[in-house]
Amino acid sequence: QKEVEQNSGPLSVPEGAIASLNCTYSDRGSQSFFWYRQYSGKSPELIMSIYSNGDKEDGRFTAQLNKASQYVSLLIRDSQPSDSATYLCAVASYSSASKIIFGSGTRLSIRP
Amino acid sequence: SAVISQKPSRDICQRGTSLTIQCQVDSQVTMMFWYRQQPGQSLTLIATANQGSEATYESGFVIDKFPISRPNLTFSTLTVSNMSPEDSSIYLCSVGQITSSGANVLTFGAGSRLTVL
Repeated sequence: QKEVEQNSGPLSVPEGAIASLNCTYSDRGSQSFFWYRQYSGKSPELIMSIYSNGDKEDGRFTAQLNKASQYVSLLIRDSQPSDSATYLCAVASYSSASKIIFGSGTRLSIRP
Repeated sequence: SAVISQKPSRDICQRGTSLTIQCQVDSQVTMMFWYRQQPGQSLTLIATANQGSEATYESGFVIDKFPISRPNLTFSTLTVSNMSPEDSSIYLCSVGQITSSGANVLTFGAGSRLTVL
């Protein structure tokens, strides 16, 4: 079992709709969770972090965490073509909080 | 967040040679990491670069193949030794900064794209 799992996609969403990205993780003791966005040919950039169960909103982005289900999601409202990218779910290791483990990423495409 | 300069940005290398990638940060940082991103894949942590001591390598990565230096809190190098085509990848330097919540948030350099022929 991979430590952090994501559907690879591609996920195609019409412009203006909600894009929903999902991630599961295996380390039940993990405490910190992140979503990074990576445009083609660029390095990842942090867009959201979440540490507690529930929802965390930042502009058009909402991160959701359910530690009991070991599940993290990212919702993007009013999707724009500029949101087309690969989204990487990342989890801090319980045994070493400085070690960040990445999922394989979900490729998101917003169609006009 | 820290600004990271990484070089070279890309290189084409011959099999059996070695290449050193440099990572310079504009501020002192405690945590520096080296990741690899193979074509179409996600990021895999190679090692944590420790200032003043040997790097901490992840499973599957060894010092002889990926020697790392960290002479101070703003600079690190990663060498890819005795390269083979399987080493063709993007190598990313990153720094970790602890937030008020105690979480380690990573910032990445632009990456070094290596192609081994």
